[in-house]
Amino acid sequence: GAGVSQTPSNKVTEKGKYVELRCDPISGHTALYWYRQSLGQGPEFLIYFQGTGAADDSGLPNDRFFAVRPEGSVSTLKIQRTERGDSAVYLCASSMTGRAEAFFGQGTRLTVV
Amino acid sequence: GEDVEQSLFLSVREGDSSVINCTYTDSSSTYLYWYKQEPGAGLQLLTYIFSNMDMKQDQRLTVLLNKKDKHLSLRIADTQTGDSAIYFCAESRPSGGYQKVTFGTGTKLQVIP
Repeated sequence: GAGVSQTPSNKVTEKGKYVELRCDPISGHTALYWYRQSLGQGPEFLIYFQGTGAADDSGLPNDRFFAVRPEGSVSTLKIQRTERGDSAVYLCASSMTGRAEAFFGQGTRLTVV
Repeated sequence: GEDVEQSLFLSVREGDSSVINCTYTDSSSTYLYWYKQEPGAGLQLLTYIFSNMDMKQDQRLTVLLNKKDKHLSLRIADTQTGDSAIYFCAESRPSGGYQKVTFGTGTKLQVIP
């Protein structure tokens, strides 16, 4: 596709439920990043994939958060037992390995009620 | 840890120049970035500068970097109403074979017609 695509654009879920957020990066981009942006804040790093492997998952807040990228393209961020504090915009970005420029998707706004 | 700070708000009149400032703490920063975020949208990369440069100009945008003081600025010439958005400063540093990016909290630019 022309840009990074994230689905859904909005997700409302009940506390305790499981959610999956999808990111479709720019074709050919081997590096993929997930960030979380809370209201009034800048994006905070969650996880970085190089190809299929999670090269740096140090930003994941706890073990309820998990992400996969099984074929080195589409990635899914999974959140178990959601809490109200998980409400935020989840942003995905992709880049060519070694390049400074990363391109962001529109984000998924997650609201936990 | 790494820290990137920005003022929260800037208001300018249409046609004037805007200057958005940023300070960072990481002395091993490789790249410094400016991103633009419009309401409900993802982040758009405006420009970036390598840490051994002190200036970069791209049409209406001028980036100045004072590495000694760890100060970055973005000047927008002839500011237009379409420039109203939140501007994020970010820095990247090498981390395990990739550039790990840390964002500031963003500066909201309001352009008054």
